[in-house]
Amino acid sequence: EPEVTQTPSHQVTQMGQEVILRCVPISNHLYFYWYRQILGQKVEFLVSFYNNEISEKSEIFDDQFSVERPDGSNFTLKIRSTKLEDSAMYFCASSAARQGTYGYTFGSGTRLTVV
Amino acid sequence: LAKTTQPISMDSYEGQEVNITCSHNNIATNDYITWYQQFPSQGPRFIIQGYKTKVTNEVASLFIPADRKSSTLSLPRVSLSDTAVYYCLLNTGTASKLTFGTGTRLQVTL
Repeated sequence: EPEVTQTPSHQVTQMGQEVILRCVPISNHLYFYWYRQILGQKVEFLVSFYNNEISEKSEIFDDQFSVERPDGSNFTLKIRSTKLEDSAMYFCASSAARQGTYGYTFGSGTRLTVV
Repeated sequence: LAKTTQPISMDSYEGQEVNITCSHNNIATNDYITWYQQFPSQGPRFIIQGYKTKVTNEVASLFIPADRKSSTLSLPRVSLSDTAVYYCLLNTGTASKLTFGTGTRLQVTL
């Protein structure tokens, strides 16, 4: 079964540092997403990406966040200057269709700890 | 206004059938009903999606009445490994994001 791969699985960073979370979506998927889940809270939408541009973003996704698809396989989330409240699990997801007829496939996540 | 409402938690014994009902009174015409499963420290996993009537796959069944204001996820013969949080979501074709609620925490015991 095809998987969405995320690296690293766990990252610890100091407040104010930049981090890049990496994802390899399923190869024939066209829509890519980032979600996050703060410990004990809901899974929250951050951003969706299609055709090399952001198609939708949430209020959480402010100027400190950016996404990029630098090549044909990787999809990255960059946080420019991390804050303590950025500590969370970050999930990448991909889907073949916008409506996700067959569902979105999520990765196993990157646990980001900001100290 | 919450789009979906589901029980906070449910308990079941191994081998039983579990039915989790979700209420979505304000469902829109182009909304699909989607269920995800999440284990601790893992990403949500797609279980099943439907628009109306009944959908069945190798994992679960989804029952949707004619008015589509509710839906029931049915897990046959649960095992300990089915202990997880189950989310009912409305997946609209006009937006690209999924909105997760708090889900139903299912605890399966022997």
